[in-house]
Amino acid sequence: AQSVTQLGSHVSVSEGALVLLRCNYSSSVPPYLFWYVQYPNQGLQLLLKYTSAATLVKGINGFEAEFKKSETSFHLTKPSAHMSDAAEYFCAVTLPTRHYGGSQGNLIFGKGTKLSVKP
Amino acid sequence: EAGVTQFPSHSVIEKGQTVTLRCDPISGHDNLYWYRRVMGKEIKFLLHFVKESKQDESGMPNNRFLAERTGGTYSTLKVQPAELEDSGVYFCASSQDLSRGYEQYFGPGTRLTVT
Repeated sequence: AQSVTQLGSHVSVSEGALVLLRCNYSSSVPPYLFWYVQYPNQGLQLLLKYTSAATLVKGINGFEAEFKKSETSFHLTKPSAHMSDAAEYFCAVTLPTRHYGGSQGNLIFGKGTKLSVKP
Repeated sequence: EAGVTQFPSHSVIEKGQTVTLRCDPISGHDNLYWYRRVMGKEIKFLLHFVKESKQDESGMPNNRFLAERTGGTYSTLKVQPAELEDSGVYFCASSQDLSRGYEQYFGPGTRLTVT
């Protein structure tokens, strides 16, 4: 069975500092991985996704993540935090179609990390 | 293009009452998912429709929950009778083509409070 662990339920950084949100996964086969963001009073928005192409994935708003199979990690980074990045971030995993035998697609989420950005 | 919409945005009901949540997916999306986040916990999968058929309902907590998707368009999730532990945020998501990397588009959620 797949699982996702997000280290740190709360992360606080200063504006302009590096953002690093950690995500480790467990899966018996190479998974597809996602980062979603939820801004206050809004729904989940896809930041970026890894689907077995390039291991370094660039997303929206300057975020990127690197798939490291040897470390079973998919950490999210941004070089310079903005106040507008304050939100809750979710890492999620699913399996490629061929491993579902026809039933596919449900995402397994981590518990989320709330990012605060200090002026 | 309109996104995934959910109604109501908030619902407060008493234990034992019935509540029906509605989700309108993005037009043309055959795949529709329901998820739930209980306070302090992770977002958990409830079920998956492909058009009007239930593809996977392994995440449904118990038989007090009933989901439908008539005609393969909008979906409803009914909770009857509601219990205190049903409180949480219910998200709906839809996707068009899973071969394009399983991108799911989420609605804003319905916050359900059972008192």
